[in-house]
Amino acid sequence: GEDVEQSLFLSVREGDSSVINCTYTDSSSTYLYWYKQEPGAGLQLLTYIFSNMDMKQDQRLTVLLNKKDKHLSLRIADTQTGDSAIYFCAESSGATNKLIFGTGTLLAVQP
Amino acid sequence: DAMVIQNPRYQVTQFGKPVTLSCSQTLNHNVMYWYQQKSSQAPKLLFHYYDKDFNNEADTPDNFQSRRPNTSFCFLDIRSPGLGDAAMYLCATSREYIGTGDQPQHFGDGTRLSIL
Repeated sequence: GEDVEQSLFLSVREGDSSVINCTYTDSSSTYLYWYKQEPGAGLQLLTYIFSNMDMKQDQRLTVLLNKKDKHLSLRIADTQTGDSAIYFCAESSGATNKLIFGTGTLLAVQP
Repeated sequence: DAMVIQNPRYQVTQFGKPVTLSCSQTLNHNVMYWYQQKSSQAPKLLFHYYDKDFNNEADTPDNFQSRRPNTSFCFLDIRSPGLGDAAMYLCATSREYIGTGDQPQHFGDGTRLSIL
């Protein structure tokens, strides 16, 4: 079945690192994505990783993929107040690129 | 510059009164998707078009329909909105299906629909 789970809430201090975790169930997912959603806005693509990779770094963002455990994480270095938002992980499902989203993690950055 | 544009940003309609939401794209992508996101929930796919081929999700209510008159535009029609249809509606595009390589979906800012 298709099910993507995330912790609901994470609070960090400005300047610290944030780690948002995600578990998924579809082992055939080709790509896994991280999206950011600010209040009242759409989804902003942050980064994504191909399933045969275990790590991808993009400036302050590091994605780690453990395919054996079906675990995905997003690390944000030097977290800023502007990073406060809801973060969704998503897996691609099937040939039509359908996205199955996680429940979302609300990241609160304290100044 | 916005590449996936949704209009309007906020839409209010009356219970049972048909409403149409609009999405346009400047990316010339083949695939356009419509997602429904209810408050504090994850987005859920309603349907998508590959070019003019329509693909409905099995659990999308019959009340929801879509039109894609050309590559750039796609519309979401809700025939008789109920209170449960109040949500954010998100449009997304991708150049191709995933089988041809990495094809991330790009989202618009969404239309927030309220039902009176």
